[in-house]
Order: sequence, then C-alpha cells, then structure tokens
Amino acid sequence: SQELEQSPQSLIVQEGKNLTINCTSSKTLYGLYWYKQKYGEGLIFLMMLQKGGEEKSHEKITAKLDEKKQQSSLHITASQPSHAGIYLCGADRGSNYKLTFGKGTLLTVNP
Amino acid sequence: DGGITQSPKYLFRKEGQNVTLSCEQNLNHDAMYWYRQDPGQGLRLIYYSQIVNDFQKGDIAEGYSVSREKKESFPLTVTSAQKNPTAFYLCASSISGTSKNIQYFGAGTRLSVL
Repeated sequence: SQELEQSPQSLIVQEGKNLTINCTSSKTLYGLYWYKQKYGEGLIFLMMLQKGGEEKSHEKITAKLDEKKQQSSLHITASQPSHAGIYLCGADRGSNYKLTFGKGTLLTVNP
Repeated sequence: DGGITQSPKYLFRKEGQNVTLSCEQNLNHDAMYWYRQDPGQGLRLIYYSQIVNDFQKGDIAEGYSVSREKKESFPLTVTSAQKNPTAFYLCASSISGTSKNIQYFGAGTRLSVL
C-alpha cells in the first residue's frame, strides 16, 4: 500500500465551485508539503504544514493538517480554470531530507 | 532570476546508449535531488545529494548514476542498464540544516526511447 494516499485521484468541477483534496499518511508526519503541477512541467510549491491543527492560506487555497489522523486537506474556494492541474502532497519522515510523494490528484475546472 | 534549470527539455535515447540529463541551480542550496515521474506512479526518488562530493541512492537507483562535483550542478546519467527509461525526470534542490525541507523543482526533462 502507498505511504501517502491522495483522494480523489481525479476531480472535475464547474468554475466557481469549492473543492477539497485529501492526503492521508500511513506513517508519522514531520511535515506535509503541497505542490501543484501543470502537465509536462515542474512542481510549484504551494504550502508547508508542520504542526497539528496548523492551517495556511494562499489566495483561494487553504491547507490544514490533522496530526492525530495523519491527514491533510487542501481546499479551494470558488475554483477558477487557473486552478486546474495536478496537486501532489509530499511527506517529510524526519530523516535525510527525503520527501515521499503521493500519486497526485488531477483537477479539471470547467468554465 | 534564481532557479533550477534542467536541460534538455526533450531527450531521445537509442538502445544501449547512455544519456546525461543536466540540472543546474543558482539558489545556493546544498541539497539536490533527482526524481522520476511515470503516469499514475507519482514521484519516485532516484538519487539525492546533501553536500558536494557526496550522494545517496534513493528508492529506484538501479540503472542510474550521478555526480556532485560542484554545488550548483547535479547531472544524472541514464545508463544502458536501465531497461525502462521512458519517463519524465525532475530535479529539485533545497536548503539543508533547517526543519523545513521545501524542495524547489526544475521544469523537467522528458526522456523517450527510440
């Protein structure tokens, strides 16, 4: 089984709708990172969460960390076509600078 | 502008050939990484380096080699021993010595086999 499970695998929403993407870890989290990727391009760093209950926002994107559940959620409010892409979560296991990544969630926003 | 530059953007390999992917950063980061991305597989770590002249194998190092002779550069060679090299390759770097391992990525190199 995957160390980091992302759900859903893909998501299609109408412009203006809210949406949530989840990332659940099977191991202890020392840090949780959210990235966005356009197809065929590199990853763009969005946010990092380290403490349980921590919540961060960037424009219309909010991420939360539930340390007890070993889970993070990414919420987009009033989605726009510019939000479309692949969202990946990465987990810091606390050693050697390595990050483990989930398989990603493909978001499509229809105008 | 500071950033990570990967070249070439597209690369084709003939059977039995070794090819080298370039990764250069001017962010003054100590740590650098190579990942492979396949459809439906997410990112998998090939090699990483925390400091010049030192590097460690990641989860899928077989068929690959790296060097770290300069802080700014971390080239990846895909050898003929890698039987399934077709993939999207991503290089990243990060500051070391902090609790925040924020990795910054290049634009990627897409490798295909002829």
